[in-house]
Amino acid sequence: QKEVEQNSGPLSVPEGAIASLNCTYSDRGSQSFFWYRQYSGKSPELIMFIYSNGDKEDGRFTAQLNKASQYVSLLIRDSQPSDSATYLCAVNLGGTSYGKLTFGQGTILTVHP
Amino acid sequence: DTAVSQTPKYLVTQMGNDKSIKCEQNLGHDTMYWYKQDSKKFLKIMFSYNNKELIINETVPNRFSPKSPDKAHLNLHINSLELGDSAVYFCASRFTGGSSGANVLTFGAGSRLTVL
Repeated sequence: QKEVEQNSGPLSVPEGAIASLNCTYSDRGSQSFFWYRQYSGKSPELIMFIYSNGDKEDGRFTAQLNKASQYVSLLIRDSQPSDSATYLCAVNLGGTSYGKLTFGQGTILTVHP
Repeated sequence: DTAVSQTPKYLVTQMGNDKSIKCEQNLGHDTMYWYKQDSKKFLKIMFSYNNKELIINETVPNRFSPKSPDKAHLNLHINSLELGDSAVYFCASRFTGGSSGANVLTFGAGSRLTVL
């Protein structure tokens, strides 16, 4: 089992729909969870982070964390073509010190007009 | 102002050569990282320094040697380059103190290394 696992996609949604991106992780002691967006040829940029169980909303983005199920997701409401990118889930596995982040392989999202 | 800057942005070289990538951050962060992103876009940590001290050293060939002269700079030197070293190398930094919300990783633009 991979330490941080994502469905590589591609995930294709129509403009205006909700895109749902999922991520599972192996270490139950993990504390911090991050979603990064990476456009082709660019560096990863942080979208959201979440530490507590439940939902965290920021604009069109909602991160959901369920530590019991070792599952974190990202919902993008009212998807726009500009949201088309690779979305990377990152986990501070086991709450390791110095913020070592382990990344999933990324999910490619395509939002078509 | 660029927060995390890497040089060079592109590097094309022959097998067997030695090359270096440099990274500098002006964010006041105390921890810096090198990540490697392969052709399948998988981003994997290589090294990390906290205040010039090596704190993360993943399973990486010893041809790769990081150096941090101070907490704002982190360099990566690669000896005897191989075809498999071709990748994008990202430098990143973060601040380990303060509130949790401040402890996010900020990436540089990446250095694309092509070994021929």
